[in-house]
Amino acid sequence: QKEVEQNSGPLSVPEGAIASLNCTYSDRVSQSFFWYRQYSGKSPELIMSIYSNGDKEDGRFTAQLNKASQYVSLLIRDSQPSDSATYLCAVNIRNAGNMLTFGGGTRLMVKP
Amino acid sequence: GAVVSQHPSRVICKSGTSVKIECRSLDFQATTMFWYRQFPKQSLMLMATSNEGSKATYEQGVEKDKFLINHASLTLSTLTVTSAHPEDSSFYICSARPQTAYEQYFGPGTRLTVT
Repeated sequence: QKEVEQNSGPLSVPEGAIASLNCTYSDRVSQSFFWYRQYSGKSPELIMSIYSNGDKEDGRFTAQLNKASQYVSLLIRDSQPSDSATYLCAVNIRNAGNMLTFGGGTRLMVKP
Repeated sequence: GAVVSQHPSRVICKSGTSVKIECRSLDFQATTMFWYRQFPKQSLMLMATSNEGSKATYEQGVEKDKFLINHASLTLSTLTVTSAHPEDSSFYICSARPQTAYEQYFGPGTRLTVT
C-alpha cells in the first residue's frame, strides 16, 4: 500500500459543477495535510492546508479531513476551466521522518 | 511570503558538460530543501533531501556522484548535474521547508535539455 494514494484520473467535470478530489493515507498519526495544484509545465503551488478533523473553507475550495478514516478531500465549487490542473495531496508521514509525502496526483479537467 | 526562486529557468547544454541549478528561499529560512525531477506527464519524483550544513540524503536509484547537492546556507541549495546525458533532460524542481513547518514551497522549476 502506498503511503499517500490518489486516483490519477482524469476527473472530468462540467463548468460550474463541484469537483471532488480524494486522498487516503497510511500513517494513523499524521497531523498535517496539504493540497497542491500543478498546472501543466509548472511547479506545484500550495493551495490549502488542514490540520483538524472537519471542513476548512477558502473561497471556492473546501478541504475535508477525517483522521479516523485516514481520508482527506478537496472540493472545488463552481469549477472553472482555469481549475484544470493536477492536484497533489501531501501528508506528513512519520516513517519518512515527518517529511511530506506526496500522492501521485489527480488530473482534473473542467469542460466549458 | 514563502517565495522560492530557482535559477536558471531553462538551460540547454551539450552532452558531457555539467549544469548547476540554484534554489533560494527568498523570505524565510529553510533548514531542509528538496530536489525533485519530473518527466512529461509523470508524477514528481523526489531525488534527494538536503539539510543545511550536512550531506544530502538521496532516494534509492539516484546517483549521488552524478547529482551533486550542496546546501551551504539556510536560504540556498544547489544541484549540479555532472556529465549530463540526454536522458537527464527533465524538469527539475526544488522546494524548501520553513524551519517550524511541515509544508513545502516550490520553486518555479528548471527545464534542462541535454543535446
